[in-house]
Amino acid sequence: DVVMTQSPLSLPVTLGQPASISCRSSQSLVYSDGNTYLHWFQQRPGQSPRRLIYKVSNRDSGVPDRFSGSGSGTDFTLKISRVEAEDVGVYYCMQGTHWPWTFGQGTKVEIK
Amino acid sequence: QVQLVESGGGLVMPGGSLRLSCAASGFTFSDHSMNWIRQAPGRGLEWVSYISRSGKTIYYSDSVKGRFTISRDNAKNSLYLQMNSLRAEDTAVYYCARDNVVAAGYWGQGTLVTVSS
Repeated sequence: DVVMTQSPLSLPVTLGQPASISCRSSQSLVYSDGNTYLHWFQQRPGQSPRRLIYKVSNRDSGVPDRFSGSGSGTDFTLKISRVEAEDVGVYYCMQGTHWPWTFGQGTKVEIK
Repeated sequence: QVQLVESGGGLVMPGGSLRLSCAASGFTFSDHSMNWIRQAPGRGLEWVSYISRSGKTIYYSDSVKGRFTISRDNAKNSLYLQMNSLRAEDTAVYYCARDNVVAAGYWGQGTLVTVSS
């Protein structure tokens, strides 16, 4: 199985400051069709997960543009340009290139 | 709007069975592949199973293969997960998730399954 490794696992941030989460995969996530099926999810406290970014850098509908995704191959990043209070929660990367689909361990974002 | 409502969770003894359902509304159910994803208490997310739009293509995680069966009824706009030979480690909130372009674009609120004697 593809192992997804996120860092850091805990991220205290100051309101209005940027934040960055890294996600690395144990093998390339480039599929035979040329797409890279790496996605990011947010889970606010007490809520169901919500997808933020799909295929590395595409924001889902309704996702604020302060969220951005980048990367290629095995190395990916989720960035929040200016953290707001509503961004508190756990963020997961997930690969959908290889079966079984696998998630990272999660990164807990909290306000300092 | 897209709605996914899971049901069927509860307390079951080790070795027992449970059938989860996911009622879909607000979209054409047969146009989308579906998934079950679970989250053990205080833990991260684990993908469990996938079913294609027609139901012809199915995948399972190794941890549930041979014990769980995913199915769908497009006429009833419903997704199912038959869970047999349940173990303590299957205790989790089970979410159904609809693919949107790609994996898990929409999620339900989840249903809790507790396996304990």
